[in-house]
Amino acid sequence: TQLLEQSPQFLSIQEGENLTVYCNSSSVFSSLQWYRQEPGEGPVLLVTVVTGGEVKKLKRLTFQFGDARKDSSLHITAAQTGDTGLYLCAGERGNKLVFGAGTILRVKS
Amino acid sequence: DAGITQSPRYKITETGRQVTLMCHQTWSHSYMFWYRQDLGHGLRLIYYSAAADITDKGEVPDGYVVSRSKTENFPLTLESATRSQTSVYFCASSEVAGGAYGYTFGSGTRLTVV
Repeated sequence: TQLLEQSPQFLSIQEGENLTVYCNSSSVFSSLQWYRQEPGEGPVLLVTVVTGGEVKKLKRLTFQFGDARKDSSLHITAAQTGDTGLYLCAGERGNKLVFGAGTILRVKS
Repeated sequence: DAGITQSPRYKITETGRQVTLMCHQTWSHSYMFWYRQDLGHGLRLIYYSAAADITDKGEVPDGYVVSRSKTENFPLTLESATRSQTSVYFCASSEVAGGAYGYTFGSGTRLTVV
């Protein structure tokens, strides 16, 4: 059983559509991070959220940390083909990061 | 080159053989980590290190050994490889504990045990 559950596991959408990816847990985290990973490469950090209720924006990407610091969401507006990849959330527990299984996003032109 | 470098990128080995995966970082980050990535499981922590000569087990340490004699190097050894250890292995480093500033990952080593 994953400590962090991500949904959906797979998402295939057309360019220009909006989407939301969820990261849920029954545990509280000190911080939560989102990474993006491309085939053959390691994950790359997108954002870190620390405060419950915090919202961060990175161009067309909006990240939100739940009020209770147990969950997070990633919303992409007007998806582009360059957004294709594996999106991973990771929660900080005991000075280490615990990762979810990821959401594979495919954006078709 | 600056950054975090893993070698080899690809490795095929036979069951029972010992194999070592290398990880080198140039930032002098205190914390280093080894994860394995498998479909459906995401990234699972194998071992981590808070400083030279300080290492500790993660979630899935069985069958693996690590050492950290120098801050910049953190090799991972499979003492007697098994097919279940076929995976993609990622090394990561961080300036602080808990990764509040994020982890920096290498490009990974794809290991196949036949």
